[in-house]
Amino acid sequence: DTAVSQTPKYLVTQMGNDKSIKCEQNLGHDTMYWYKQDSKKFLKIMFSYNNKELIINETVPNRFSPKSPDKAHLNLHINSLELGDSAVYFCASSQDKWRDTTDTQYFGPGTRLTVL
Amino acid sequence: SQKIEQNSEALNIQEGKTATLTCNYTNYSPAYLQWYRQDPGRGPVFLLLIRENEKEKRKERLKVTFDTTLKQSLFHITASQPADSATYLCALARDDKIIFGKGTRLHILP
Repeated sequence: DTAVSQTPKYLVTQMGNDKSIKCEQNLGHDTMYWYKQDSKKFLKIMFSYNNKELIINETVPNRFSPKSPDKAHLNLHINSLELGDSAVYFCASSQDKWRDTTDTQYFGPGTRLTVL
Repeated sequence: SQKIEQNSEALNIQEGKTATLTCNYTNYSPAYLQWYRQDPGRGPVFLLLIRENEKEKRKERLKVTFDTTLKQSLFHITASQPADSATYLCALARDDKIIFGKGTRLHILP
């Protein structure tokens, strides 16, 4: 059984389009995250939601909007895609924040976004 | 600005030897430091967490040390195996902030 799942795994689209990536976790966790891993392999946190409320919002263009319909889902919507948005996007979840080993983050398999 | 550096992009170690990976940081005082493993095309997998008041943590063949004076963490894999080949990421966290290093690609040579 997949703990954190993302769809799609690959996304190829044209500049200017709007796209969404879906994420679901079946671990019963309270907190979910979106990360971006660029071509240089740096993993950077974008958003974090705790019980459907936004608790972290790093400096991310407002073209990116997370939406959490319930505790088990955190979707990422991207408007007006740009070339620089090409990266691998990872969803993750944890029981709470990373204060203890019980707050381990579980990552999804990633979505490779390519903007042409 | 806050910076994390992980030693050399790639590290080749002979099977059976101990692999030691380094994570150095500047301009940051993390409350926790975590190590993750990432295989190609997969998401990171949590390995170990060590708190700022802890010196060492062990889990099976893995050992992590944390020196807040040197601002350094060392990650050791003893009796290394080819299956340990992967990229290893360190991550520093305090409150709501977490930052990841670029990772070190470890190759265990049979």
